[in-house]
Amino acid sequence: SQKIEQNSEALNIQEGKTATLTCNYTNYSPAYLQWYRQDPGRGPVFLLLIRENEKEKRKERLKVTFDTTLKQSLFHITASQPADSATYLCALGHSGGGADGLTFGKGTHLIIQP
Amino acid sequence: EAQVTQNPRYLITVTGKKLTVTCSQNMNHEYMSWYRQDPGLGLRQIYYSMNVEVTDKGDVPEGYKVSRKEKRNFPLILESPSPNQTSLYFCASSFVGLLGDTQYFGPGTRLTVL
Repeated sequence: SQKIEQNSEALNIQEGKTATLTCNYTNYSPAYLQWYRQDPGRGPVFLLLIRENEKEKRKERLKVTFDTTLKQSLFHITASQPADSATYLCALGHSGGGADGLTFGKGTHLIIQP
Repeated sequence: EAQVTQNPRYLITVTGKKLTVTCSQNMNHEYMSWYRQDPGLGLRQIYYSMNVEVTDKGDVPEGYKVSRKEKRNFPLILESPSPNQTSLYFCASSFVGLLGDTQYFGPGTRLTVL
């Protein structure tokens, strides 16, 4: 069966360092992968999308990589700040396009220590 | 302001009492969906709709109904709620396109069924 794995334990990072979050998947051939941020009690907010034929995407302090051979995506936040503390979700989209059937990982809770 | 709204935000009800959670978006999105989020299980899709009068089951549709009579609205109906439907519910919407689209999430509805 399809499986998406994100670090289940909280990730503690010192302010100013780079935070790296991992999203691994099995039994899946996603056409694209998205990363979302979720604050407690609020809806997820879209951050970045990377397609299967792309290796890397950047947006300000954020960088996402996508390795379809390793079946892994890495999400980096450089120069991390306490305001970056949140839960980060990866989501995989099925081959064939469209928005149906987006599958989410359980998320990684990131804590940036001042 | 582009947004997805949900009502009510909080609801406590009793087993068997029919309820409806409304969802509305003002972005003219074709695609809308409902998710539930539970500790340790992450976000799971309940139902989705690719356009007006087009709906389909997600991963956990049992005990839920939806309708899509208008493009902007996608209500979630619990005909006979049970305690295992106590959860945090999110509505989301997006355009339908090839290779993925940003999903915009509502603020969430926290439902407790006693």
